[in-house]
Amino acid sequence: KQEVTQIPAALSVPEGENLVLNCSFTDSAIYNLQWFRQDPGKGLTSLLLIQSSQREQTSGRLNASLDKSSGRSTLYIAASQPGDSATYLCAVRRLGGTYKYIFGTGTRLKVLA
Amino acid sequence: GAGVSQTPSNKVTEKGKYVELRCDPISGHTALYWYRQSLGQGPEFLIYFQGTGAADDSGLPNDRFFAVRPEGSVSTLKIQRTERGDSAVYLCASSPTSGEQFFGPGTRLTVL
Repeated sequence: KQEVTQIPAALSVPEGENLVLNCSFTDSAIYNLQWFRQDPGKGLTSLLLIQSSQREQTSGRLNASLDKSSGRSTLYIAASQPGDSATYLCAVRRLGGTYKYIFGTGTRLKVLA
Repeated sequence: GAGVSQTPSNKVTEKGKYVELRCDPISGHTALYWYRQSLGQGPEFLIYFQGTGAADDSGLPNDRFFAVRPEGSVSTLKIQRTERGDSAVYLCASSPTSGEQFFGPGTRLTVL
């Protein structure tokens, strides 16, 4: 059974700092992995999608890496800004005929001005 | 273009009542997901549609929950005999063939 863990659960950093959020999964047979941000009381916004054959994806100040063999993905945020404050969630879809995504519980990020 | 929309944004009902939650996906997206999210948790998968058919309903918690997508576009999640434990935010997402999911704002359901 796939389990997804995100550590830390919460993080506070000063503005301008580079930071790394972690996502671990127990079953390495994944189809893809997606990172989202969620603002309080809102739905999820897609940030990056990494297919199982890819090692990383980049969008602006965000870079997500995938290491299937170790069951890990990291989201790197460069030069953090107060507007980056949100909860960041990762979700994995398993290989093999299922469309079910399993989400982690998220990392709540606060960037201090 | 327009994103995923969900109605109502908030629904308060009494225990035992029936509720319907609606999702309008992004035009052209063939895949549609329903999730449930409790406070402080990640979304929990409920059901997946590919076109009109439910390709994976393994996340529906029991037979009080049912979802339809009769024309392959709009979907309705139906909950019968609501219980206080059903209180949560219900999220809908749609996806093109690439697999990237686009979420709606959610419906906050409160069962009194």
